[in-house]
Amino acid sequence: DSGVTQTPKHLITATGQRVTLRCSPRSGDLSVYWYQQSLDQGLQFLIQYYNGEERAKGNILERFSAQQFPDLHSELNLSSLELGDSALYFCASSPPGQATDTQYFGPGTRLTVL
Amino acid sequence: QKEVEQDPGPLSVPEGAIVSLNCTYSNSAFQYFMWYRQYSRKGPELLMYTYSSGNKEDGRFTAQVDKSSKYISLFIRDSQPSDSATYLCAMSDKLTGGGNKLTFGTGTQLKVEL
Repeated sequence: DSGVTQTPKHLITATGQRVTLRCSPRSGDLSVYWYQQSLDQGLQFLIQYYNGEERAKGNILERFSAQQFPDLHSELNLSSLELGDSALYFCASSPPGQATDTQYFGPGTRLTVL
Repeated sequence: QKEVEQDPGPLSVPEGAIVSLNCTYSNSAFQYFMWYRQYSRKGPELLMYTYSSGNKEDGRFTAQVDKSSKYISLFIRDSQPSDSATYLCAMSDKLTGGGNKLTFGTGTQLKVEL
């Protein structure tokens, strides 16, 4: 158990809908990262937040957005969902000031768009 | 060409065998090199991280980095059926604005048979 929690575990929804995925980082970690894992693309970096501020952006679609709240939990919002958005979504966190860039992953949310 | 290349396998070995997993990369800016283990439908679990060229050992696992060849390896000695999982190499990259992200290989699926 990494200490990173994610809810829900599974989400099934229809095309065109909007969903929110939630992540709580490990105690003391200030950075939160979101990744998407699909069969054809592997694990892809979406976005990073550090202590409430957006720090880095990766291959995140405009239909997707994220935020990190004062209590450091983060939410990833996915809207106008398409079939191709079906994937595992992982949240990871890392402690402040570390030199190694290691990230600790949560159990993931499996999103199925029908 | 992908920044990180990893043979997807599957790789099947008998119990007790030495396993060698490898990744090559093209981005000289990568700073830290990590190996994650991912069991089916679970989050990636950090196994090892290294920075400089050379070897790092942790129990049955040895991570090796050759920056001049842009090649990293993970060796598993005395492999066990419980080592059956997908092994992902990951490399960290500092981004403009102070952020960082991990770039993953596609993962090698390993099966250790009794």
